[in-house]
Amino acid sequence: QQQVKQSPQSLIVQKGGISIINCAYENTAFDYFPWYQQFPGKGPALLIAIRPDVSEKKEGRFTISFNKSAKQFSLHIMDSQPGDSATYFCAATSKNAGGTSYGKLTFGQGTILTVHP
Amino acid sequence: DGGITQSPKYLFRKEGQNVTLSCEQNLNHDAMYWYRQDPGQGLRLIYYSQIVNDFQKGDIAEGYSVSREKKESFPLTVTSAQKNPTAFYLCASSRGTSGFTDTQYFGPGTRLTVL
Repeated sequence: QQQVKQSPQSLIVQKGGISIINCAYENTAFDYFPWYQQFPGKGPALLIAIRPDVSEKKEGRFTISFNKSAKQFSLHIMDSQPGDSATYFCAATSKNAGGTSYGKLTFGQGTILTVHP
Repeated sequence: DGGITQSPKYLFRKEGQNVTLSCEQNLNHDAMYWYRQDPGQGLRLIYYSQIVNDFQKGDIAEGYSVSREKKESFPLTVTSAQKNPTAFYLCASSRGTSGFTDTQYFGPGTRLTVL
């Protein structure tokens, strides 16, 4: 019940296209959903995050869509660029995961995005 | 220049040997974490620490040990009891003040290979 399932495992998109990565979860206690971006040989970095009280959050070319009833959320990258080529991880956590001052993150399996010029 | 440093970047170990991975942060963060990353499996939590001299097991703590004697340091020892230690190890930290929405900041990682 703690799993977060992410798809696809890899994705190839042409420059200017839309990249879409999907995640699904089972634990209804999850209430914070961050996305991390990881470049080869580097650690992940927070890209964008959403709480379930909104259905969409947009930051520049990156948008999270959230469907609480379906327990699914997705990352959309508009006008994809070769510099967006990286591994993307969705994650989830809940208020009660790990204590009062810690949010234990459950990560998806990751999606390797390649944007061709 | 604030951040998280991990050393070494690459580490080779003979089977049966213990090895310690270093993690240092100068962000003045209270919480620190160790993750293991394997292809196709995402990041899995090994240990975490909310304050100095206190740490908790994560999902895959068997075969690993940690210490937190200083706020800025959280070394991870991979013991010979870890059956499959070859992986990419990531250290992270967070302020510890925003609760479950705290952003975790990651170091550049250490790639451990057991020969």
